[in-house]
Amino acid sequence: EPEVTQTPSHQVTQMGQEVILRCVPISNHLYFYWYRQILGQKVEFLVSFYNNEISEKSEIFDDQFSVERPDGSNFTLKIRSTKLEDSAMYFCASSMVRQPQHFGDGTRLSIL
Amino acid sequence: KQEVTQIPAALSVPEGENLVLNCSFTDSAIYNLQWFRQDPGKGLTSLLLIQSSQREQTSGRLNASLDKSSGRSTLYIAASQPGDSATYLCAALARDYKLSFGAGTTVTVRA
Repeated sequence: EPEVTQTPSHQVTQMGQEVILRCVPISNHLYFYWYRQILGQKVEFLVSFYNNEISEKSEIFDDQFSVERPDGSNFTLKIRSTKLEDSAMYFCASSMVRQPQHFGDGTRLSIL
Repeated sequence: KQEVTQIPAALSVPEGENLVLNCSFTDSAIYNLQWFRQDPGKGLTSLLLIQSSQREQTSGRLNASLDKSSGRSTLYIAASQPGDSATYLCAALARDYKLSFGAGTTVTVRA
């Protein structure tokens, strides 16, 4: 069964550095999403992306975040200047139409 | 704004007992309700998805029901096993296509 693939599985970064989290969605999917889960908290929606533009974003998704689909297969989340509170598990998801959303295994981001 | 609540937050049962996990949501205008399993430090494994037009879905020992009008879903796990120990999350897909998650129920099945 096709899967959403996320790399790396664990990323450790110094505070203030830029980080890029990568996702390869399922190949024929058109909608892409990022969610995050701070340790011990709920999974939260960050952003959805369709037709090369952001379709929805949450209050969390401020100017330090950006998303991009640089080629036909990858979908990336960039955090420009990381803060300690950005430490979380980040999940990528994709869907062919708006639902259901298929999730990757996540990238654990640790900010030191 | 959709709020999803899961009760109880934690549950410990002896092996073989049936599990009942509850999920409630405040906005009944949803497309679907999905149940996930999450092992410690790991990703989200989708277990069951119930469309808004459906009342229940079954997969093996798992059965999930949906009562949209009252804003409730229940996940039943029959004849629990130690391998069922995990955190179970429910998530409602709202009309804006954002998934809203509950905080989860952490299940421990004692051998």
